[in-house]
Amino acid sequence: TQLLEQSPQFLSIQEGENLTVYCNSSSVFSSLQWYRQEPGEGPVLLVTVVTGGEVKKLKRLTFQFGDARKDSSLHITAAQPGDTGLYLCAGGNAGGTSYGKLTFGQGTILTVHP
Amino acid sequence: KAGVTQTPRYLIKTRGQQVTLSCSPISGHRSVSWYQQTPGQGLQFLFEYFSETQRNKGNFPGRFSGRQFSNSRSEMNVSTLELGDSALYLCASSLDGQFNQPQHFGDGTRLSIL
Repeated sequence: TQLLEQSPQFLSIQEGENLTVYCNSSSVFSSLQWYRQEPGEGPVLLVTVVTGGEVKKLKRLTFQFGDARKDSSLHITAAQPGDTGLYLCAGGNAGGTSYGKLTFGQGTILTVHP
Repeated sequence: KAGVTQTPRYLIKTRGQQVTLSCSPISGHRSVSWYQQTPGQGLQFLFEYFSETQRNKGNFPGRFSGRQFSNSRSEMNVSTLELGDSALYLCASSLDGQFNQPQHFGDGTRLSIL
């Protein structure tokens, strides 16, 4: 069974600070997706990375997929209150037994105080 | 472009009853995946449908079932409801369920069992 461990579980910071969320596994994943979820809503896709070592930037958010495709990180620069939410990483695999299946980490609850 | 639509948004049932949840995917998406989200277990994969066929299944009892129609809409059924079935049920759609295709989620159905 593949597992994804996210850390930290909770993060409470002040507006303007930087932060990094980590997503680690002992297994290789073919792809890694990051989502943000707000209360009462479904997860919203932020990014998909599929190549080991890949780095993607989305405004103040930087996503990295580890060279060995076992880990990923999300870095937010100058956090804003609007960044508050539950951040989830999810891994996908190629192959017939993996169709449509994402394995999710437990999530990181981020609170950004004004 | 309309997103993934789930109905109903909220349901209250009692133990022993059964329930049917509905999911309309993004137009053109043929793969629909279902997940259960609880505070203790996080997001767990239930099953995936593509072209009216279940291609993948998670570790849930047979009380959880689903189907997909020719227009890619999907339904999920839970029979003989138990208290532990209280959760947010999310569906996600993608083009074909492959690992490199991002999954887009609906806002979920909140199921409460009394």
